Order: sequence, then C-alpha cells, then structure tokens
Amino acid sequence: AQSVSQHNHHVILSEAASLELGCNYSYGGTVNLFWYVQYPGQHLQLLLKYFSGDPLVKGIKGFEAEFIKSKFSFNLRKPSVQWSDTAEYFCAVAYGGSQGNLIFGKGTKLSVKP
Amino acid sequence: DSGVTQTPKHLITATGQRVTLRCSPRSGDLSVYWYQQSLDQGLQFLIQYYNGEERAKGNILERFSAQQFPDLHSELNLSSLELGDSALYFCASSVSGRGGGYTFGSGTRLTVV
Repeated sequence: AQSVSQHNHHVILSEAASLELGCNYSYGGTVNLFWYVQYPGQHLQLLLKYFSGDPLVKGIKGFEAEFIKSKFSFNLRKPSVQWSDTAEYFCAVAYGGSQGNLIFGKGTKLSVKP
Repeated sequence: DSGVTQTPKHLITATGQRVTLRCSPRSGDLSVYWYQQSLDQGLQFLIQYYNGEERAKGNILERFSAQQFPDLHSELNLSSLELGDSALYFCASSVSGRGGGYTFGSGTRLTVV
C-alpha cells in the first residue's frame, strides 16, 4: 500500500538552529510531493510542492525541500528556525494516476524554544 | 482566511446521532476533498468530488456519505455516530482535482459524547 513516513514525531530546537525533517514515501511511480504546516488551532497551509524539474524546491517562510528520487525522500529544511515556526509539519504525496487525493505522513511536531 | 469555508467550527453530539458538515470551496475551485484528522490515525482521505460527481473514495465508513451540490458546496453526512468518530474534519478544494496541491479549510471539530 502507498504510504508516507515521517521519521520524527517531535523535534525540539532552539531559535537559530537548523532544521531538517525527514519524509519517505513508498514506491508508486510518478509522484507529486508536498509539505504542509499546521500552526496551533489553524488549518493546513501549503509550504511548498514538487511536481517536476529542479529537485530543490523553495517554499514560503524560508523553507526548502529536496527531492531525492533514488531514496524516495523529500526532506524539509530551514537554515535557521524562529519561535514562530513552532507548528506541526506534514509531508504528503499524490501518486501519479490518482485523482489528486493526498496521502499524508503522521506529522512532525516542531517546538522552537526562544 | 484560506477561502475554503467550513461550518460549523465545533459540534458536540451524542452517540447514535447524525450530523452534517458543510464546506464551501474557494471561488473557482471545482473539486472538494474531505479528510479526517484524529490523533491515532493522522490525516485520512475520505472522499473527493469534482464538479458534482464523486471522483475518488478513501477510508470512508459506510455510515458516512457526502455530496457536492450544483453551486459546488459540499456536505459530509455522518450517521450512527460513535465515540471513535470524534475528530477534526477538514475540507479542501482545488481547481482541477488532479495533482494534489489544494487549499484547506479551518475544519470542523466533532466531539461525540
């Protein structure tokens, strides 16, 4: 079955630390890849997406992600986190041929200490 | 405000009851998706509609049903509610219904007591 794995359940960082959140997906051919963020009490917002082309994707708020096809990975990175980045981060995959419905990872909660 | 409107924001109901959750997609979007978010299952895709027709079905229970109306708003009906149905129900919309990049609403928090 198609699945998405996020390696870390909860990450705690201090402000200015670098961030990398792991995401792996099961093989399924062509994929579109996404990272969403959910701030406390809010809806999911799209951080960035990858459809094709340059595997290094830049998103909003200084986030970026790298698609490594051979590793089935799409890790999220940010060089220097801020307290306002405290949120839950979800990796999601739309498999080619699907109607666009996303398969989500379980999410990684990021807590940034001021 | 994402442009996707969900009502109500909160709903508390008893086991065995039936509720209806409503979603108005972003202007111009033809496709509506419903997701359930719970602590143990995470975000689970329930069902997708595109321009009034059902497009895809995920882990949706038989007690649950949905429809999309001519004005493109959608309703998710949950019946014979159980404690385990307590969750956050999100609606999302997109223009084409393909590709996966879409906009989420703020969700309806359902509590079954």
